[in-house]
Amino acid sequence: EPEVTQTPSHQVTQMGQEVILRCVPISNHLYFYWYRQILGQKVEFLVSFYNNEISEKSEIFDDQFSVERPDGSNFTLKIRSTKLEDSAMYFCASRTAGGSMYEQFFGPGTRLTVL
Amino acid sequence: GEDVEQSLFLSVREGDSSVINCTYTDSSSTYLYWYKQEPGAGLQLLTYIFSNMDMKQDQRLTVLLNKKDKHLSLRIADTQTGDSAIYFCAERTQGGKLIFGQGTELSVKP
Repeated sequence: EPEVTQTPSHQVTQMGQEVILRCVPISNHLYFYWYRQILGQKVEFLVSFYNNEISEKSEIFDDQFSVERPDGSNFTLKIRSTKLEDSAMYFCASRTAGGSMYEQFFGPGTRLTVL
Repeated sequence: GEDVEQSLFLSVREGDSSVINCTYTDSSSTYLYWYKQEPGAGLQLLTYIFSNMDMKQDQRLTVLLNKKDKHLSLRIADTQTGDSAIYFCAERTQGGKLIFGQGTELSVKP
């Protein structure tokens, strides 16, 4: 069964460093999302991406964040200068263009730890 | 603004029914979902309900929607130890993003 994959599973970085979190969505999907979950808090929407551009972004998704689909398979989230408060589990999700329930398929997540 | 609230913990005995509750604020939501998260895994869609329905049954799962009170519940019949996980309620906004609750950790004791 096709699934969304994410790498790495755990990333440890120093404050101020750049990180790139990678996702491979399901191959025929056209909508892509990033969410994050700070420990003990809710899963929060960061950004949605369709047709090679951002469809919607949250207040969290400031100038330090960017997304890219560099080729036909990867979808990346870059944080330019990480802060302590960026420590969280980051989930990538994707979905098809239609479907009866607009189901978003989630990856297993990347745990980002900023020291 | 958009918000979804759930209780944090639920503990039941194996074979009992579990009921996980959720409230949401966005009355324009068209779809409401229940996701399950097992340790080390991503969020897996368990079931969903369209906003013009008030009940949906899928094997051991029953979803009830009270649109007037913006209340959603998930009932798991004959709960098994394998059902132990975190359950997230989510609403789909008009723009397509999902708004999640905090997740309810279900613990099933043998």
